[in-house]
Amino acid sequence: DAKTTQPPSMDCAEGRAANLPCNHSTISGNEYVYWYRQIHSQGPQYIIHGLKNNETNEMASLIITEDRKSSTLILPHATLRDTAVYYCIVRDKDFNKFYFGSGTKLNVKP
Amino acid sequence: ETGVTQTPRHLVMGMTNKKSLKCEQHLGHNAMYWYKQSAKKPLELMFVYNFKEQTENNSVPSRFSPECPNSSHLFLHLHTLQPEDSALYLCASIGQFNSYNEQFFGPGTRLTVL
Repeated sequence: DAKTTQPPSMDCAEGRAANLPCNHSTISGNEYVYWYRQIHSQGPQYIIHGLKNNETNEMASLIITEDRKSSTLILPHATLRDTAVYYCIVRDKDFNKFYFGSGTKLNVKP
Repeated sequence: ETGVTQTPRHLVMGMTNKKSLKCEQHLGHNAMYWYKQSAKKPLELMFVYNFKEQTENNSVPSRFSPECPNSSHLFLHLHTLQPEDSALYLCASIGQFNSYNEQFFGPGTRLTVL
């Protein structure tokens, strides 16, 4: 049921920006893009969400392409504690369900 | 700390035991969820409750029995489980159905079935 495609893993050097891509080519007009992350054996943590405009909060930035078929989560200055699995999810509010795919395992290295 | 708590954090049980997992949220949320996460697999949605009413049962075997006595508490009753039911069980809540609110997750219960 996951409608997103993400690379299985990525590496990033500590202190550099981590750019995590997500493809959601079948997204419809009223579906939002959400990002969560899960640090080993903990509950997923909400990061950010958006519809079509770029969004920024204290954790990350979300860049959504104009056609909304893909997005990128940006962690501006990755730290070792950002090592986690990052999930990109699309969601229609009427369904009240979140489908988590396999995500991207981000390895931040010193 | 997300405001969603789960107890116990770890549980080991035999196949003939009966146990219960508890989830509690103090966020004033109206909807609660149970997820299962097996080793190296994505989260699987199990049950959804909105205002104590079950709105989703994602083809979960009857050996898992949810209970939602009020909007703040959610239980998962377990009986005659199988070793393949060993997993991380996660509870989540959301402020309001049919909104774009995000889910808040608890830390999970690590279940091992012997």
